[in-house]
Amino acid sequence: GESVGLHLPTLSVQEGDNSIINCAYSNSASDYFIWYKQESGKGPQFIIDIRSNMDKRQGQRVTVLLNKTVKHLSLQIAATQPGDSAVYFCAENSFGDYKLSFGAGTTVTVRA
Amino acid sequence: DAGVIQSPRHEVTEMGQEVTLRCKPISGHNSLFWYRQTMMRGLELLIYFNNNVPIDDSGMPEDRFSAKMPNASFSTLKIQPSEPRDSAVYFCASIPQGGHGYTFGSGTRLTVV
Repeated sequence: GESVGLHLPTLSVQEGDNSIINCAYSNSASDYFIWYKQESGKGPQFIIDIRSNMDKRQGQRVTVLLNKTVKHLSLQIAATQPGDSAVYFCAENSFGDYKLSFGAGTTVTVRA
Repeated sequence: DAGVIQSPRHEVTEMGQEVTLRCKPISGHNSLFWYRQTMMRGLELLIYFNNNVPIDDSGMPEDRFSAKMPNASFSTLKIQPSEPRDSAVYFCASIPQGGHGYTFGSGTRLTVV
């Protein structure tokens, strides 16, 4: 069936380096994508979103890239900090559908 | 804004007992979602409501699970009888009309022994 999945389950990053988290999706009808961050003991927290009519969107220290041709989504975190250590999920849905489908999650660990 | 409020934060119960999880969405948000998170299955949508009406409950695993939303500011997820395999973190989330990005609560960690 249609699904959203992540390429890498874990990512270890040196503090100050940039992080790249990847996500593949299979539903070609998906037109809205979100990245969430989940810290231990907390609920997922919205980071950044992007619509399918865009291929790049920037936030504070984060950039989301969307490649619809290969159905690939990535989250780039600049100058990774210890507070960025968390599980990151991509999620997607289609226009008119409130349901979000979540990927499996990537655990990011920042080394001091 | 107090965010989405869930209670209790932790619940430990014996197999066979009834469990009720509670959620207060953000004021003005008209869609509410119940998710379950486990290591094996990740985040799974159980049910969602729009304007207090259940829209899609296809994710509810069994008849032992039921959810209600009697008004715009309160929802419950009930498990009766509970089983050890129900142990998970249960999240509630809400969005406003026309919105897409959920705001999640802090979750209820349920342990059934």
